[in-house]
Amino acid sequence: AQSVAQPEDQVNVAEGNPLTVKCTYSVSGNPYLFWYVQYPNRGLQFLLKYITGDNLVKGSYGFEAEFNKSQTSFHLKKPSALVSDSALYFCAVRDKTGDTGRRALTFGSGTRLQVQP
Amino acid sequence: DAGVIQSPRHEVTEMGQEVTLRCKPISGHDYLFWYRQTMMRGLELLIYFNNNVPIDDSGMPEDRFSAKMPNASFSTLKIQPSEPRDSAVYFCASRGEGKIAKNIQYFGAGTRLSVL
Repeated sequence: AQSVAQPEDQVNVAEGNPLTVKCTYSVSGNPYLFWYVQYPNRGLQFLLKYITGDNLVKGSYGFEAEFNKSQTSFHLKKPSALVSDSALYFCAVRDKTGDTGRRALTFGSGTRLQVQP
Repeated sequence: DAGVIQSPRHEVTEMGQEVTLRCKPISGHDYLFWYRQTMMRGLELLIYFNNNVPIDDSGMPEDRFSAKMPNASFSTLKIQPSEPRDSAVYFCASRGEGKIAKNIQYFGAGTRLSVL
């Protein structure tokens, strides 16, 4: 089975400061990892993904995430937060191996990021 | 492409009524997913299709829920009869298999369902 944990319900950060949103995962094989963002009354939007290669992945809006296999983590980061980054962030995982039945993503519970001016 | 299109955006109905939610995936995508989002349970996968065939419906909460995909450009999620605890936002998402789009799910704006 695959699972994702986002240990923080909410993260508060001041505008201009760096931000980190934490995510850990569990899969039986190698993972595909994703971050999505949800703005109020909208669907989820893809931010970035890790499939293979460099552990540091760069995505949309200046976000990046670092894949750490030994810690089974995929934390989302941004060097300088903006008020407009305030939203709900979801981490998701899929087992890279396995049959068609395991092609769906498993999402974390979400972390609300609040950036204060 | 207009993206994943869901209708209606909002649905208010009374307990016991039948509710049908609709989804048009992105053209060329061969995976379609239905999710439900609530404050209590977060984002739950209900069912997904590959090439119009249901692959995994283990997330469908009970027999009152059913989903169909009669062709590559249309899917429905039906609740019959509806109950107040079905109130949630229902999302549809689609995904392609090609090298560029692979593994990225694109979500619709959702249908907010309120069952009174």
